[in-house]
Amino acid sequence: DTAVSQTPKYLVTQMGNDKSIKCEQNLGHDTMYWYKQDSKKFLKIMFSYNNKELIINETVPNRFSPKSPDKAHLNLHINSLELGDSAVYFCASSQHTGASSSPLHFGNGTRLTVT
Amino acid sequence: QQQVKQSPQSLIVQKGGIPIINCAYENTAFDYFPWYQQFPGKGPALLIAIRPDVSEKKEGRFTISFNKSAKQFSLHIMDSQPGDSATYFCAANRDDKIIFGKGTRLHILP
Repeated sequence: DTAVSQTPKYLVTQMGNDKSIKCEQNLGHDTMYWYKQDSKKFLKIMFSYNNKELIINETVPNRFSPKSPDKAHLNLHINSLELGDSAVYFCASSQHTGASSSPLHFGNGTRLTVT
Repeated sequence: QQQVKQSPQSLIVQKGGIPIINCAYENTAFDYFPWYQQFPGKGPALLIAIRPDVSEKKEGRFTISFNKSAKQFSLHIMDSQPGDSATYFCAANRDDKIIFGKGTRLHILP
């Protein structure tokens, strides 16, 4: 029973296309995140949402737009894809916002390849 | 001030050896220091964590050593096994802000 699930697992698309990645968590957590992991394995936060409200919006091109229809879902839509968007995107959730000791639960990632 | 510096970038250790991964932080406001383990094709998963009021925490073969005055902490893996081969990330938390180190790729030789 997967706690944080994201789809698709792999996404190959051409430059200029628009694509979406979906994420769902069944842990009852308040907060959800999107992280980007590049080829060197660096993990960089993109967004975090608490109860459908945007909390963190790091310096991310506005081609990236997160959408949270409810507390259990956080989707990522990317417009006009560029080669540099190729990476693994991880969804994550945590129980509380503002509680340092609330560990992150990650999904298994979506490997995006832009050609 | 928001950085967490992690070293080494990669590490190869013989089975049974004790790999040590080091991290250093600058912001004394951080109050929680987790380590995450990531296997290929999977997301990172919490391995072990420590608060700055404790100098050491041990869970099974994994130990965190914490030096508050030096603003450094490290992960030790006792009796390492090939199954421990993974990428390890240290992190530092305060409230809803978590800063990750750049990761250490660990390979345990059989």
